Amino acid sequence: DAKTTQPNSMESNEEEPVHLPCNHSTISGTDYIHWYRQLPSQGPEYVIHGLTSNVNNRMASLAIAEDRKSSTLILHRATLRDAAVYYCILRDVVQGGSEKLVFGKGMKLTVNP
Amino acid sequence: NAGVTQTPKFQVLKTGQSMTLQCAQDMNHNSMYWYRQDPGMGLRLIYYSASEGTTDKGEVPNGYNVSRLNKREFSLRLESAAPSQTSVYFCASSEAPQGPRGYTFGSGTRLTVV
Repeated sequence: DAKTTQPNSMESNEEEPVHLPCNHSTISGTDYIHWYRQLPSQGPEYVIHGLTSNVNNRMASLAIAEDRKSSTLILHRATLRDAAVYYCILRDVVQGGSEKLVFGKGMKLTVNP
Repeated sequence: NAGVTQTPKFQVLKTGQSMTLQCAQDMNHNSMYWYRQDPGMGLRLIYYSASEGTTDKGEVPNGYNVSRLNKREFSLRLESAAPSQTSVYFCASSEAPQGPRGYTFGSGTRLTVV
C-alpha cells in the first residue's frame, strides 16, 4: 500500500484558515487521495477525496499538487468542532487493487479559541 | 438518521468468554468492514465483506470470525476473548470495494477484556 506522511500535530486559531499537509511520494496513477477525521470518542468521518483536480465541498477543500506527490486539506475557517485527528489515506480503485482503507496514526489538529 | 449502527456501545468480558458485535447499515451499501483501534493508534482492518456472501481477512484477523448475515448486517465474533482484544471496534460500510467514495463509520463498541 502506498504510504502517506503527515505531521504528528498542528495548532490553529478559531476562525482562521488552516492547511493540513500530506506527502505521498509513492502514489500511483490509480490512487485516490482520501481525507477522514476522527473527533474524540467517535468513529472516523469522511471529509473529502480527489484524484487529480482540486476539490471543494461543504466541509473543506483539497488541493492536490500537479505531480500528485502531496496534497493539502484546507479548512477555510477553523472552528472548535474541527479539533480532531485527520487522516490522509490513499485508496486504489483499480479492480484487483487494495480494497481497504489503511489508516496511519493521523495528525492531531488543536483549535485554540 | 441513515448510517451504521453498532451494538453494544460498551462491553466488559472476562478472559475466555465469547461475544458477538453487531453492525447494521441502512444505506444499501455493498461492502462492510470491521476495524479495531487501540489507544493512540490508527485503525486496523480485521475483516471485510466486499459484497453479500463474501468475507475476507484484513490485517489482524486472528481471534475473530465474521458473518455477513445479509446485505444490511455484518457481525464480528470473539470466540474466546483475550486481554489483547481490549480495543474500540468500528464497523464501516461503503457503496463498493473499488468505489472512490468514502466509508461511513459507526460510533464504535468499546470492549474491555479482563
